[in-house]
Amino acid sequence: QVQLVQSGAEVKKPGASVKVSCKASGYTFTEYYMHWVRQAPGQGLEWMGIINPSGGGTSYAQKFQDRVTMTRDASTSTVYLELSSLRSEDTAVYYCARDAIYSDSTGNHRSYFFDYWGQGNLVTVSS
Amino acid sequence: QSALTQPASVSGSPGQSLTISCTGTTSDVGAYNLVSWYQQLPDKAPKLMIFEVSKRPSGVSNRFSGSKSGNTASLTISGLQAEDEADYYCCSYAGTGSRMLFGGGTKLTVL
Repeated sequence: QVQLVQSGAEVKKPGASVKVSCKASGYTFTEYYMHWVRQAPGQGLEWMGIINPSGGGTSYAQKFQDRVTMTRDASTSTVYLELSSLRSEDTAVYYCARDAIYSDSTGNHRSYFFDYWGQGNLVTVSS
Repeated sequence: QSALTQPASVSGSPGQSLTISCTGTTSDVGAYNLVSWYQQLPDKAPKLMIFEVSKRPSGVSNRFSGSKSGNTASLTISGLQAEDEADYYCCSYAGTGSRMLFGGGTKLTVL
């Protein structure tokens, strides 16, 4: 069965960086794009960006463009989110979420919705 | 780009039907049939309820249905049950750069 298992909670000081991981299992890692979505306490969901685990290509939300890096390690089926220059407003639960695919005669294609989610990582930024 | 617009809260009695709206623009909801809906229980990860405007994943009750008209998508829950009490989020593909946009979320209360 598909599982996305994220690393544990983190506490960081303002100005520091954090790197969280999301280990995938139960499917072919390189066939499905992965998103990162965050949720501040009591707030809604916010899309941060997407990574193609096959080639490593990324696309980030404009808001995070200069502070976020998404990478992957295909040998361990793991994607990573690194966020730098942390501030208190970055305190949130960070989720990885798999982009579904559909298949047709021309191959596999993104479906543009999230079919599986990780359990979430709480990142707390506090001095 | 701004988030999609959802009502902050809705409520209904068991057995009733209710609809949650999700309003975007001609660049997102109106441009693509790629609206999805997610249910989030307290302290849990979101769960996919509807994709591609009106399709239901296997395992999701047929009490949940989706539709779209112009720039507004809707999630309808019929035969409301206590277990439906949760936060609901819409999401739309928004084009260039593979962007995805979420709504602000709607808290559903079953009276």
